[in-house]
Amino acid sequence: GAVVSQHPSRVICKSGTSVKIECRSLDFQATTMFWYRQFPKQSLMLMATSNEGSKATYEQGVEKDKFLINHASLTLSTLTVTSAHPEDSSFYICSALTGNGNQPQHFGDGTRLSIL
Amino acid sequence: KQEVTQIPAALSVPEGENLVLNCSFTDSAIYNLQWFRQDPGKGLTSLLLIQSSQREQTSGRLNASLDKSSGRSTLYIAASQPGDSATYLCAALETSGSRLTFGEGTQLTVNP
Repeated sequence: GAVVSQHPSRVICKSGTSVKIECRSLDFQATTMFWYRQFPKQSLMLMATSNEGSKATYEQGVEKDKFLINHASLTLSTLTVTSAHPEDSSFYICSALTGNGNQPQHFGDGTRLSIL
Repeated sequence: KQEVTQIPAALSVPEGENLVLNCSFTDSAIYNLQWFRQDPGKGLTSLLLIQSSQREQTSGRLNASLDKSSGRSTLYIAASQPGDSATYLCAALETSGSRLTFGEGTQLTVNP
């Protein structure tokens, strides 16, 4: 089946550090990739949608200068949390979609980000 | 704006029981309804996807139904096993075919 690899799985770093998370579709071309954020005991909240070769579309309330998204190829999207602070600590999950909504999104295993 | 609600928030059952998880959504203009499983600290595994024109989907011991007019979906798990313990999330896909709105999940524990 379709596999999405997310790296790293866990990051612990100091406040003020910028952190990059990678999301790769291993065996299919992802026309669209999504980035979600999940707080403990809560559901996934969509942060942004990115299509290969174009600018990401951010959800209301998500700072585009804080969460930089790059989708330079059909198999790779990156999320960079710039100048991270403790309130950015969360579980970040990416998903990838090929084609239309008839197909389910395929999710990565998530990245646990902890800012000290 | 679509809102998805799941009831109950948590459920604990003995092994072997049949159980039903409920999902409701406020906007019936959906493309499809999906059920996912999430293990602790992990991403999501797709379980079942029901197109808006369908009434139900089955996979093994899982059966999901969809009543779009009433904004409800249910996930039925037959003969539950300890390995079924996880959080189950439902999500409605908007008609544009891209944005998924998730419920907060039902945390299921199946006791041996």
